[in-house]
Amino acid sequence: IQLTQSPSSLSASVGDRVTITCRASQGISSYLAWYQQKPGKAPKLLIYAASTLQSGVPSRFSGSGSGTDFTLTISSLQPEDFATYYCQQLNSYLLLTFGGGTKVEIK
Amino acid sequence: QITLKESGPTLVKPTQTLTLTCTFSGFSLSTSGVGVGWIRQPPGKALEWLALIYWNDDKRYSPSLKSRLTITKDTSKNQVVLTMTNMDPVDTATYYCAHSSLIGIVGSLDYWGQGTLVTVSS
Repeated sequence: IQLTQSPSSLSASVGDRVTITCRASQGISSYLAWYQQKPGKAPKLLIYAASTLQSGVPSRFSGSGSGTDFTLTISSLQPEDFATYYCQQLNSYLLLTFGGGTKVEIK
Repeated sequence: QITLKESGPTLVKPTQTLTLTCTFSGFSLSTSGVGVGWIRQPPGKALEWLALIYWNDDKRYSPSLKSRLTITKDTSKNQVVLTMTNMDPVDTATYYCAHSSLIGIVGSLDYWGQGTLVTVSS
């Protein structure tokens, strides 16, 4: 199963609403997660099971979707949200796959 | 408090075998549902999942790298070891280990090590 993220990069301003899409090459369960990665740092889990917010993650982050199409939404972009975001899925064979990433830059 | 830390060589020669160790604390790899995975990231590129071992010694590998990877665990030492054979310069990357669980976070990776940069060069 391939995961395709779009866009691969975007420019946005503080306060903007940002949506990132992750499309699977075939229908997957809701075992989809989203991560945030800043330069030189390990990824940080934001969302798991497609829509469950990880403990400690601000509520401006939300996830949705099912089947083949999933989205990560940042309701009001903050300065600390400029980073690269990855989706990841776990399939029925317990194999993991990551998407190609979406870099969110300052406009 | 869960922590993980990767250790191993920073430089390997082409064709050599890489051995990386993940030493963790704050959880047990004998607890039902728990797993430890390895993920790598070439400089400036995306994350790539490599392997994962579960509490019951079930092992899963990336299909594209399966022939080169072996993952093992030592529950008494709280360690997971990944070996990758026949290293090539394209394997230059930061290698991370991470905690996972099939319960609760359902297959995601919620705690990560700091990563270790491995360079493949003669």
